[in-house]
Amino acid sequence: GAVVSQHPSRVICKSGTSVKIECRSLDFQATTMFWYRQFPKQSLMLMATSNEGSKATYEQGVEKDKFLINHASLTLSTLTVTSAHPEDSSFYICSARVPTSGRDEQYFGPGTRLTVT
Amino acid sequence: GIQVEQSPPDLILQEGANSTLRCNFSDSVNNLQWFHQNPWGQLINLFYIPSGTKQNGRLSATTVATERYSLLYISSSQTTDSGVYFCAVGEGGGNKLTFGTGTQLKVEL
Repeated sequence: GAVVSQHPSRVICKSGTSVKIECRSLDFQATTMFWYRQFPKQSLMLMATSNEGSKATYEQGVEKDKFLINHASLTLSTLTVTSAHPEDSSFYICSARVPTSGRDEQYFGPGTRLTVT
Repeated sequence: GIQVEQSPPDLILQEGANSTLRCNFSDSVNNLQWFHQNPWGQLINLFYIPSGTKQNGRLSATTVATERYSLLYISSSQTTDSGVYFCAVGEGGGNKLTFGTGTQLKVEL
């Protein structure tokens, strides 16, 4: 159980275009999902918390107009990178909180590697 | 915010050796998880261990919350254990995780 998927696994886009990444919880309902970014040889940095049916909460320094997050259902959250630039190239990973009593355990998707040319 | 430091940053082992990875955190936590990130980037859950000791096969973990550290033990290491090991901690009620700096492990034949 507790499987999280992401699509696409990798994407290459041209500078100035927008890219949408999907994160799905496959065998459970997730009221809360999280989006992280990881640069090469570095740790994961939380970008935003996505709550079903409400606006996402962004971490300090993350541009909410550039990284649009929508959590329209209990199994799907999307991250749209708008007007992408080469510096947005990174590994984007989502996670979902498994709603088990007494635990705040998160399970992670396989990640999406974005390259902006 | 909370600081999470892991040591050592890099580790090379011969197959069959044992190792201990450490995670220090700067404030009280109510959530601590250990992950293994494989070469393809997937994070694999190892332990959910905000306190106490757990074992799963060749791996075990101990968290001493009052002293703000956690240890991950790997015994009889195998080449498939290679990758990056992260601890991540959560504080307060926001469910957010702050990731540590990671330990890059390479197990050689």
